Amino acid sequence: GAVVSQHPSRVICKSGTSVKIECRSLDFQATTMFWYRQFPKQSLMLMATSNEGSKATYEQGVEKDKFLINHASLTLSTLTVTSAHPEDSSFYICSASFQASPLHFGNGTRLTVT
Amino acid sequence: DQQVKQNSPSLSVQEGRISILNCDYTNSMFDYFLWYKKYPAEGPTFLISISSIKDKNEDGRFTVFLNKSAKHLSLHIVPSQPGDSAVYFCAASSSGSARQLTFGSGTQLTVLP
Repeated sequence: GAVVSQHPSRVICKSGTSVKIECRSLDFQATTMFWYRQFPKQSLMLMATSNEGSKATYEQGVEKDKFLINHASLTLSTLTVTSAHPEDSSFYICSASFQASPLHFGNGTRLTVT
Repeated sequence: DQQVKQNSPSLSVQEGRISILNCDYTNSMFDYFLWYKKYPAEGPTFLISISSIKDKNEDGRFTVFLNKSAKHLSLHIVPSQPGDSAVYFCAASSSGSARQLTFGSGTQLTVLP
């Protein structure tokens, strides 16, 4: 069964609004979670690394004020897309790892900004 | 600069035959490699991995081969089944990267019945 739960799976919002995406590790404590973004027919691009209890580490070119990440507990990380624009429309996926196990991924969130 | 490359965007194979998916990397610091399978609108699912101390790892119908000198890895699926049809991503990480993965662009495998 799923070990990482991501919610919502699909969201449509108007330009200028903010959207929050949740990522939960279901049966393990994830000190580190990762947020990826995938454009059609392209690879998953790492956006940021979310560390429990500390500030997220953002990849080059990712605006930290636009993509707010909060990792308040060992089982929950959230990504908030602030003031969303149509170019933010994409597939966002989180992942989490437990000790040495391979990363487990959520099922992703399809964001459409109109 | 793509550090992990999957040069074949698609591959079609007949059911029962072998599927070979290839992946090349450029970063010599990578020491752990993974293959993921992804269906549309779902997150990737882990398939198999290999660390740089090995050159082969096998799990059922799936075998991953690593050629460090060529910076090349491949995933063999045999026999291929229609349910294997999906996008396959290879990914790589280095031990100092807190398990951050760098993904290839994926290969769409279609297994024809």
